[in-house]
Amino acid sequence: LAKTTQPISMDSYEGQEVNITCSHNNIATNDYITWYQQFPSQGPRFIIQGYKTKVTNEVASLFIPADRKSSTLSLPRVSLSDTAVYYCLVGDWNTDKLIFGTGTRLQVFP
Amino acid sequence: EAGVVQSPRYKIIEKKQPVAFWCNPISGHNTLYWYLQNLGQGPELLIRYENEEAVDDSQLPKDRFSAERLKGVDSTLKIQPAELGDSAVYLCASSLTAGGLNEQFFGPGTRLTVL
Repeated sequence: LAKTTQPISMDSYEGQEVNITCSHNNIATNDYITWYQQFPSQGPRFIIQGYKTKVTNEVASLFIPADRKSSTLSLPRVSLSDTAVYYCLVGDWNTDKLIFGTGTRLQVFP
Repeated sequence: EAGVVQSPRYKIIEKKQPVAFWCNPISGHNTLYWYLQNLGQGPELLIRYENEEAVDDSQLPKDRFSAERLKGVDSTLKIQPAELGDSAVYLCASSLTAGGLNEQFFGPGTRLTVL
């Protein structure tokens, strides 16, 4: 599975849009991109996933360019409760095997 | 709907002692995963089950770690004997089945401290 690289940390203020970019240069044809969120003392929680172009759900959008070597998670109008670690992962379509990196620690300030 | 249940939530033991963690996945989920998470790091897969079969245990340190999922439902992860470096959070996750973009649902984890 392709290794992912994302910023170690990001700061934002309530109400702002946050974009977290992840690079996965060696992504394979069978791989998809997924993002998880983790709060302290909890297990990770699925946010969004996609294969190409743009995916949107009730909490986030995922932008994937045509070459799929990177992806951007967009969180609209963050609140204090969005303070968490966000993991970008590349998963194998056939096995759902996921490789977690160190994630991006997002801190939202009032 | 109940989520993934893990017990105990916390465990403190002395080194060289055995320890076991239990996981009950979401009802109907055929795939079960055990992960290890060190402080400040992302989870690392230890083992993956499809029903009662361990289909990926390549990252499980088999000299001291063992796991079972006898009836294809709940699962137990054991460490014997525990070492200081085993202190971590042990996470269990489940999904409907493997493949095809199935979301993994994680439990709250068991925090192990080895003294």
